[in-house]
Amino acid sequence: KAGVTQTPRYLIKTRGQQVTLSCSPISGHRSVSWYQQTPGQGLQFLFEYFSETQRNKGNFPGRFSGRQFSNSRSEMNVSTLELGDSALYLCASSLGGGGTYEQYFGPGTRLTVT
Amino acid sequence: DAKTTQPPSMDCAEGRAANLPCNHSTISGNEYVYWYRQIHSQGPQYIIHGLKNNETNEMASLIITEDRKSSTLILPHATLRDTAVYYCIVRVAGIIQGAQKLVFGQGTRLTINP
Repeated sequence: KAGVTQTPRYLIKTRGQQVTLSCSPISGHRSVSWYQQTPGQGLQFLFEYFSETQRNKGNFPGRFSGRQFSNSRSEMNVSTLELGDSALYLCASSLGGGGTYEQYFGPGTRLTVT
Repeated sequence: DAKTTQPPSMDCAEGRAANLPCNHSTISGNEYVYWYRQIHSQGPQYIIHGLKNNETNEMASLIITEDRKSSTLILPHATLRDTAVYYCIVRVAGIIQGAQKLVFGQGTRLTINP
């Protein structure tokens, strides 16, 4: 089975621009979660989508948004980029049912805001 | 906030068992303990998880104390490729049933020495 894929792997944007990152989960997985990793704050949860609905959300401003499509692929969008948004953005997929499950992470998208 | 406490760093000789401790004294009865690791610049990798019984898989063993206030991840025969940051996580349930997120702490930086 193919793993979680994220595109693009690297991105450079200018402050004030917006960016869209994409995540394709493992086949059969219905839950996609997004995390931000920075040297100062570590790994922080952004949001989780399951069956095209956001069902969990972290403590990030409204500039961070996401969506999930019917094939479980997910995108996250950051508008009005700030220098502090420079980070590794990680996507994780899981079966997403009500029981215990593991999250499988992709390689991440490294975003640099200049 | 993360509900776990881990030592910031540990060293282990190649071929020896690496024992990584984690304190989770406020864990609730229905919360699981998960372990992930992150090798430099890669996405976190799932290792193992458990509720109250000891667990073993092809990667590691997880020993949870009877009062569930702490656990130990054991890598039986550490290799250089096990050098990584290891995260002990208590799975936090979201506001919607079935919704979950992983709250990462700072983890333990494990260095395997030749």
